[in-house]
Amino acid sequence: EAGVAQSPRYKIIEKRQSVAFWCNPISGHATLYWYQQILGQGPKLLIQFQNNGVVDDSQLPKDRFSAERLKGVDSTLKIQPAKLEDSAVYLCASSFGAAANTEAFFGQGTRLTVV
Amino acid sequence: AQSVAQPEDQVNVAEGNPLTVKCTYSVSGNPYLFWYVQYPNRGLQFLLKYITGDNLVKGSYGFEAEFNKSQTSFHLKKPSALVSDSALYFCAVRDRWEAAGNKLTFGGGTRVLVKP
Repeated sequence: EAGVAQSPRYKIIEKRQSVAFWCNPISGHATLYWYQQILGQGPKLLIQFQNNGVVDDSQLPKDRFSAERLKGVDSTLKIQPAKLEDSAVYLCASSFGAAANTEAFFGQGTRLTVV
Repeated sequence: AQSVAQPEDQVNVAEGNPLTVKCTYSVSGNPYLFWYVQYPNRGLQFLLKYITGDNLVKGSYGFEAEFNKSQTSFHLKKPSALVSDSALYFCAVRDRWEAAGNKLTFGGGTRVLVKP
């Protein structure tokens, strides 16, 4: 079974530039998550989709971050404009269902450096 | 609001010795609890979860964890550590209470270093 695919693996941009990350979840997984992991910290949920609808985006900085999941499969996360404090690893994860007892499966992440 | 605490930033253990990584949680209702491991430049890998039933949960790679409701803890254990167990370990919690929104909240992580 193929895992969660993310691209790119690494990205370096200057502050105030824009960047986009792509995620392809495990086939058949209805729930998709984007997490931000700052160095030395645990992952923080940015947004959670159930199919193509948003379940939770309470911690997404909506003035600069946006995400979409068209057709309920692939997802993109965008940052515009980027700030230095956005430097982090962005993890995408998916799970089969929305049930709270279901574990999430993670991609390798995209390491973003903002200079 | 739900939260997870991993009180130790790093745990050092000699190969062959028992390994314990501590985790305590806070939720409004009852918890679902998870452990993940992260190797360098890799995503998080699921190890095990507590849903209901037996308080001792067995998972991948010889790991197990014990749920203790009175102490609100879910410590990860391995009877005999291997050098290859050196990694970053994360505890996570979800609240069973539907109004909590099904959010999966992670602790800050514990780095495990197993020395030969």
